[in-house]
Amino acid sequence: GDSVTQMEGPVTLSEEAFLTINCTYTATGYPSLFWYVQYPGEGLQLLLKATKADDKGSNKGFEATYRKETTSFHLEKGSVQVSDSAVYFCALRRQEGNNRLAFGKGNQVVVIP
Amino acid sequence: ETGVTQSPTHLIKTRGQQVTLRCSSQSGHNTVSWYQQALGQGPQFIFQYYREEENGRGNFPPRFSGLQFPNYSSELNVNALELDDSALYLCASSLGVGNTEAFFGQGTRLTVV
Repeated sequence: GDSVTQMEGPVTLSEEAFLTINCTYTATGYPSLFWYVQYPGEGLQLLLKATKADDKGSNKGFEATYRKETTSFHLEKGSVQVSDSAVYFCALRRQEGNNRLAFGKGNQVVVIP
Repeated sequence: ETGVTQSPTHLIKTRGQQVTLRCSSQSGHNTVSWYQQALGQGPQFIFQYYREEENGRGNFPPRFSGLQFPNYSSELNVNALELDDSALYLCASSLGVGNTEAFFGQGTRLTVV
């Protein structure tokens, strides 16, 4: 079945550091790929998305490129801020059928001033 | 503000009891999906309702059931609660079941004791 794998463990880094969170997926066909962010005590917010191979999603300084050859969708940001502290989830959605999302386990990101 | 509202925000139940969680979809949205997010995990798809009919179900037992009303609001019912049902339950609404964005509510935190 469809699945998403995120790198293990929380990510702790200093303000203005470079952030990378790895995400790989397994799916049939050509899924759409997403990054969601969850701030403490809140639901999920869509951060960015890409719907086909080689597409780059971007928002609020975050970027991710849909790499079909490596089945990856790694999230990057060049200079993080304390306000970026949150949990980040990678997800996929098939193009056909219902629009259910399959999520990875998430990565807690803590940015220290 | 996504416009998706869930109630209650927090709930404590005893093992074996039944619980009903509610979700009001964003204005104009006719599709509601429910997800279970256990502590430290990514959300898991429970089921989806489209125009008052179930439109796909994840790997959850029959004691998880749902309804969608003519105004497209929705309920999630869980019978015979188990300790492992303790989780954040998220509702997401969208317009249709195709390639459309899902908007999440803030969730209901259910604790089973």
